[in-house]
Amino acid sequence: SQTIHQWPATLVQPVGSPLSLECTVEGTSNPNLYWYRQAAGRGLQLLFYSVGIGQISSEVPQNLSASRPQDRQFILSSKKLLLSDSGFYLCAWRADGLNQPQHFGDGTRLSIL
Amino acid sequence: DAKTTQPNSMESNEEEPVHLPCNHSTISGTDYIHWYRQLPSQGPEYVIHGLTSNVNNRMASLAIAEDRKSSTLILHRATLRDAAVYYCILSESNDYKLSFGAGTTVTVRA
Repeated sequence: SQTIHQWPATLVQPVGSPLSLECTVEGTSNPNLYWYRQAAGRGLQLLFYSVGIGQISSEVPQNLSASRPQDRQFILSSKKLLLSDSGFYLCAWRADGLNQPQHFGDGTRLSIL
Repeated sequence: DAKTTQPNSMESNEEEPVHLPCNHSTISGTDYIHWYRQLPSQGPEYVIHGLTSNVNNRMASLAIAEDRKSSTLILHRATLRDAAVYYCILSESNDYKLSFGAGTTVTVRA
């Protein structure tokens, strides 16, 4: 069966520090991969998605970047965090094909001080 | 993207059915109706999806109106673990992306 792993579960970082969140998927190949952010009390906002290695689409201009160095690995990064980067970050995967549902990880709760 | 409209909140008693409505009057012929739910402090979880016919799975049932302008997610016997935010989302079959709205917050009373 397929599984998705995100780490860390929680993270506290100072303003201006770098960020690296990692997401890996097991049990499938060539998945579509996604990064979402959910601010406190708000809905999910799609940040990035990828349909293949090295292929990244950005949905909103921001202080973050994403990379997909391997088929089942998706990384969210920042060189200098802002206070507004606080939130609940979720990674998701979807099998490549028509009308496949998305499957989400447990998320990383990021607090910027 | 076609939009959906859901009530902000609903309450239910444990072991009673819950009917969650969703209006999507601008739905196109190729839009599928998806439902996800998000439990507190967790990522969303896929519940069910359908196109025209009613659908059943182990989690819920999806009833789709004949004109497809509305649908209803049915939880047959609510449990305390069903307390969550439920999202109704429209998506074409080849869409990579989902657009999450505010959803309906379901509270289950013991």
